[in-house]
Amino acid sequence: SQKIEQNSEALNIQEGKTATLTCNYTNYSPAYLQWYRQDPGRGPVFLLLIRENEKEKRKERLKVTFDTTLKQSLFHITASQPADSATYLCALDAGNTPLVFGKGTRLSVIA
Amino acid sequence: DAGVIQSPRHEVTEMGQEVTLRCKPISGHDYLFWYRQTMMRGLELLIYFNNNVPIDDSGMPEDRFSAKMPNASFSTLKIQPSEPRDSAVYFCASSFFLPTSGGTTDTQYFGPGTRLTVL
Repeated sequence: SQKIEQNSEALNIQEGKTATLTCNYTNYSPAYLQWYRQDPGRGPVFLLLIRENEKEKRKERLKVTFDTTLKQSLFHITASQPADSATYLCALDAGNTPLVFGKGTRLSVIA
Repeated sequence: DAGVIQSPRHEVTEMGQEVTLRCKPISGHDYLFWYRQTMMRGLELLIYFNNNVPIDDSGMPEDRFSAKMPNASFSTLKIQPSEPRDSAVYFCASSFFLPTSGGTTDTQYFGPGTRLTVL
């Protein structure tokens, strides 16, 4: 079955630095991958989608890369702010079934 | 649009009791998903519907769990009897299209969740 691993449960960084979160997957070649943000007490909110034929996608301070050879996606937040503190989930298409979500990485940006 | 609406937001019940969680999807969305989230297992898909018809319920943990979607604007997830290990946050999500490989993609819109505690 599809397996998704996000590099760590928690990541602490200093304000202004670039946060890099990793999503690795096995056993499948997804057509696309999505990233969601989840704040405490709330449901996940969609941030970005990247397709297998796209190497990189940007949205404001966010950047996502997708390396189908390494079976990995990297999610970057540049010039991080305390307001970026949240849990970030990656999710990928597993074929004829809905999205499969990783467990998430809890990011804390320290002022 | 108000987004996906779930009720109740919090539910505390005793083991053996019946629990019913409710969801109103975004108007016009033809897919509805029920998830369970725990620290240990993350976000797990329980069941999903397309045009009110259950498509895949393989994620439903046991016969104690059941879900219905009587119309396009309402769905329920029922646990009977409830057990302490059912304690989790349950999310409902909806979307226009089912994300499938190579096909039309869309994103899922999640409700605020129901935090269930079974004592």
